[in-house]
Formats: sequence, structure tokens, C-alpha cells
Amino acid sequence: AQKVTQAQTEISVVEKEDVTLDCVYETRDTTYYLFWYKQPPSGELVFLIRRNSFDEQNEISGRYSWNFQKSTSSFNFTITASQVVDSAVYFCATTGANSKLTFGKGITLSVRP
Amino acid sequence: GAGVSQTPSNKVTEKGKYVELRCDPISGHTALYWYRQSLGQGPEFLIYFQGTGAADDSGLPNDRFFAVRPEGSVSTLKIQRTERGDSAVYLCASSLYRDNEQFFGPGTRLTVL
Repeated sequence: AQKVTQAQTEISVVEKEDVTLDCVYETRDTTYYLFWYKQPPSGELVFLIRRNSFDEQNEISGRYSWNFQKSTSSFNFTITASQVVDSAVYFCATTGANSKLTFGKGITLSVRP
Repeated sequence: GAGVSQTPSNKVTEKGKYVELRCDPISGHTALYWYRQSLGQGPEFLIYFQGTGAADDSGLPNDRFFAVRPEGSVSTLKIQRTERGDSAVYLCASSLYRDNEQFFGPGTRLTVL
């Protein structure tokens, strides 16, 4: 069975600060996928990224970047120059041999103007 | 194109009643998932359909919960003899194929009085 730990529960930053959201996962599967989702106050989960366990290349998309380290079972998410619109709950998740998502408990990010 | 839609958006019912929650996936998506999200938690897997068949129903909490997807598109989650503990947001997601990114609907907030 998979497990995702998001040790940070709430983070508060001032606009334009960089912020990193941590994610540690556990799995016995050799092939798995890692995901990040954003849940703004409106409630709808928004897909951000999906990574294959065989692809450890870091990824950058605009102000977002992801650091996948298989050696530490971590898949951390950094927002550069945060904005108020980034305020949301962020979930890390994984799938394994089954394709169901196992989510962490989420990190509430508040970006103050 | 249209995203995943769910109806109703809110459902209030009395303990012991029967409810049906509907999910319309993204057109052409073969995989459909149901999750349940309680306040302050990440979504928890309930059931996964590949086409018309339930490929994994290991997350259904008990036999009061049942889901169907008779034509491989729309799905209905059915809850019999509702209990107050069933109150949560029920989320539906679909993906093109298994292991692809899952796109979520806005959810149905179920309140059992």
C-alpha cells in the first residue's frame, strides 16, 4: 500500500516570497506515479503535475518547480515569487500498481499581500 | 472542452434515506474514480471503473455503498440507509486511461442529518 506524508500542515508567506512544500512517499511498487493537486477555496481539485517513477528529471513550469529525489522518496514542490492567488490547499499523491490515488493530508498555503 | 461534472452540488438528507450521486466524466475518458473527502483531509479512494466494470472497489466502506457505470460513461454512486458519518464531499474524477492524470469534478457535498 502507498502512503504520502505532508509534514507541513500550514504555511504562511508574504507575497513574492519563495515557498517549498514537502512531500515524502512510501510505496513497494517499482513503477509508480507522483502527483500534485491544488485545491483553492472554491473546492475543486486542480491537477498540477504527474511524474513517472523512472523520470527523476526536475521540472519547471512558470513559477512552479518540482524536485523528485528517489533516494529520499521525496517529491517537493516550490513556488517562486508567490502570489495571493497561490493561496490554497496543496495535495501530494501517488499511484502504484493499482491506479487509485493515495493523497497526503494536504498543506494549507496562505500568501499575504 | 467540458470538464467532469457532478450532480447535485449539494444534497441534504435524513439518516436512513437512500441517495444517488451522479458523475459525468470527460468525454472519451475510459477510467472513472470516486473519492470521498472529509473536512481537513485529503480525498480517500472509494471505487475505480475501467469501462463499465468496477476494476477496484476496495475503498467502499461497507455494503451500503454501491456504484455503477452501465454504459462506460456516466456513473452513479448509491448510498443506502445513510448515516451521519457518511457526510462528506464526494468527488468524481476521470482519466483518459488508467495511470494518466485524473481530472476532478466539483464534488457533491452530502449532509446527513
